[in-house]
Amino acid sequence: GDSVTQMEGPVTLSEEAFLTINCTYTATGYPSLFWYVQYPGEGLQLLLKATKADDKGSNKGFEATYRKETTSFHLEKGSVQVSDSAVYFCALSDAQGAQKLVFGQGTRLTINP
Amino acid sequence: ETGVTQSPTHLIKTRGQQVTLRCSSQSGHNTVSWYQQALGQGPQFIFQYYREEENGRGNFPPRFSGLQFPNYSSELNVNALELDDSALYLCASSLGGLSYEQYFGPGTRLTVT
Repeated sequence: GDSVTQMEGPVTLSEEAFLTINCTYTATGYPSLFWYVQYPGEGLQLLLKATKADDKGSNKGFEATYRKETTSFHLEKGSVQVSDSAVYFCALSDAQGAQKLVFGQGTRLTINP
Repeated sequence: ETGVTQSPTHLIKTRGQQVTLRCSSQSGHNTVSWYQQALGQGPQFIFQYYREEENGRGNFPPRFSGLQFPNYSSELNVNALELDDSALYLCASSLGGLSYEQYFGPGTRLTVT
């Protein structure tokens, strides 16, 4: 079945550092790809998405490019802030049936001032 | 525009009991999905309802059941609670059809003792 693998955390960075969180996926079809963010005590918020190969999703300074050849969707940000501290989830949704989201295990990011 | 709401926020139950969790979808959304998020893990798809019909189910036993009402709100029922059912239960609504974006509520934290 479909699956998502994220780099293991936790990840700790200093403010203004460059961020990369790796995500690779396995899917039989042509999924849409997502990054969700979960702040402490809250539900999931959609951060960005890409629906086809070579699409780049971007939001709030975060970017991720849908790479079909490497089955990857790595999250990047050029200069992180303390407010970016959260858990980040990579997810996919296939085009068939219930279009359920399949999530990775999450990466906890802590940004120190 | 009202977002996805869930009730209750927290719940403590005893093993063997039954529980009902509730979700109100975002205005205009006709599809509701339920996810279970164990501590430190990514959410796992339980099932989805589209226009009051179950539209897909994940790898959960039949004691997990649901309903969707004409106003598209939804319930998740879990019978014969087990300790491993302790988790954050997330509800997500979407437009259905080819819309992949799911909007999550804050979740219900269920503790089974």
